[in-house]
Amino acid sequence: DSGVTQTPKHLITATGQRVTLRCSPRSGDLSVYWYQQSLDQGLQFLIQYYNGEERAKGNILERFSAQQFPDLHSELNLSSLELGDSALYFCASSVGSEVRREKLFFGSGTQLSVL
Amino acid sequence: GENVEQHPSTLSVQEGDSAVIKCTYSDSASNYFPWYKQELGKGPQLIIDIRSNVGEKKDQRIAVTLNKTAKHFSLHITETQPEDSAVYFCAASIREGTYKYIFGTGTRLKVLA
Repeated sequence: DSGVTQTPKHLITATGQRVTLRCSPRSGDLSVYWYQQSLDQGLQFLIQYYNGEERAKGNILERFSAQQFPDLHSELNLSSLELGDSALYFCASSVGSEVRREKLFFGSGTQLSVL
Repeated sequence: GENVEQHPSTLSVQEGDSAVIKCTYSDSASNYFPWYKQELGKGPQLIIDIRSNVGEKKDQRIAVTLNKTAKHFSLHITETQPEDSAVYFCAASIREGTYKYIFGTGTRLKVLA
């Protein structure tokens, strides 16, 4: 168990809908990262937050947004969902913000299916 | 932009043989190179990492080597066992404005009993 909690584990929804994925980092970790993993694909970096502030941004679609709250949990909001958004979404956390030396700890992911 | 390339995409070895997975990166400023193992239905888990001031690091049956001049690093697994079967990802910190933690495309390792 990595200590990173993601909910829900599975999410089934329809095109055009909006969903929220939630992540609680390991105790003491201040950074949260979101990654998207499509079928047989690698891990695509979406966004990183550090202590409530956006730290780095990847190829995150404008339909997607995220935030990190004062208690350090994070939410990833996906709106106007399309079939191609179906994927496994991972949250990871690390102690600090300096990615050049951080060890990431991953949650078990949220499987999103858009029908 | 900057990226991390990983080869091979799939690898099958006989139990007891060695497995080698290679990654190359483009950002010469990268200085931290971790490897993650992802088992079916689970999130990736860090198995070993290396920093740019070290050329090689070993932990029991796994080792990582780094060649900063050539900008590549490799994962070596010796005496492979069926439980080593998984998808392995390399990663590097890539500078695109700010530094980002970017993963390779993954290698599916299958250890045949």
